[in-house]
Amino acid sequence: ETGVTQSPTHLIKTRGQQVTLRCSSQSGHNTVSWYQQALGQGPQFIFQYYREEENGRGNFPPRFSGLQFPNYSSELNVNALELDDSALYLCASSSERDLDEQYFGPGTRLTVT
Amino acid sequence: GEDVEQSLFLSVREGDSSVINCTYTDSSSTYLYWYKQEPGAGLQLLTYIFSNMDMKQDQRLTVLLNKKDKHLSLRIADTQTGDSAIYFCAESMSSGNTPLVFGKGTRLSVIA
Repeated sequence: ETGVTQSPTHLIKTRGQQVTLRCSSQSGHNTVSWYQQALGQGPQFIFQYYREEENGRGNFPPRFSGLQFPNYSSELNVNALELDDSALYLCASSSERDLDEQYFGPGTRLTVT
Repeated sequence: GEDVEQSLFLSVREGDSSVINCTYTDSSSTYLYWYKQEPGAGLQLLTYIFSNMDMKQDQRLTVLLNKKDKHLSLRIADTQTGDSAIYFCAESMSSGNTPLVFGKGTRLSVIA
């Protein structure tokens, strides 16, 4: 059983640019959640996708958007990047069988200059 | 509103027990979690407890929940240098399909 994977590992972008981050959920998991972890902070919930539909959203502006694909992999898109978007972006997957447990990927470190 | 508080630092000697504490404000929290994050890595689920339990033990880890005081603790027995990491407490209203609300994390340093 493969775990949650994310790509790329690191990314450097310029303010105003757009970025797409990718996540492959753990085998058998149909729910993906995205979190932003700023330096020295705990992760903050961005949004969640369940069976290709957005299933909840945290306090993030609309320039943060996402997609989930039929194979349950997911993308996080961020438009008009700002310096404060620099963070570790984590995705977590869970399944209907084991709803108690969310498993995290290693994260993508985004630096906005 | 939801808020999770943790002390920021803890230092212990190798072989001693570590106790990491957490308080939360949302009395309707159903699940409470402990995650471990090593430098440059993602979050590793260590253990979790359902709100109708007051204790859960898993090898070296013991979780205690005082629902009245909204206090959660993680005890690591026989702490090893490999336990050095940041430990996050998190709460959830329901099951794995609801967002986790995290504290800021407690950095555990284990001195050899």
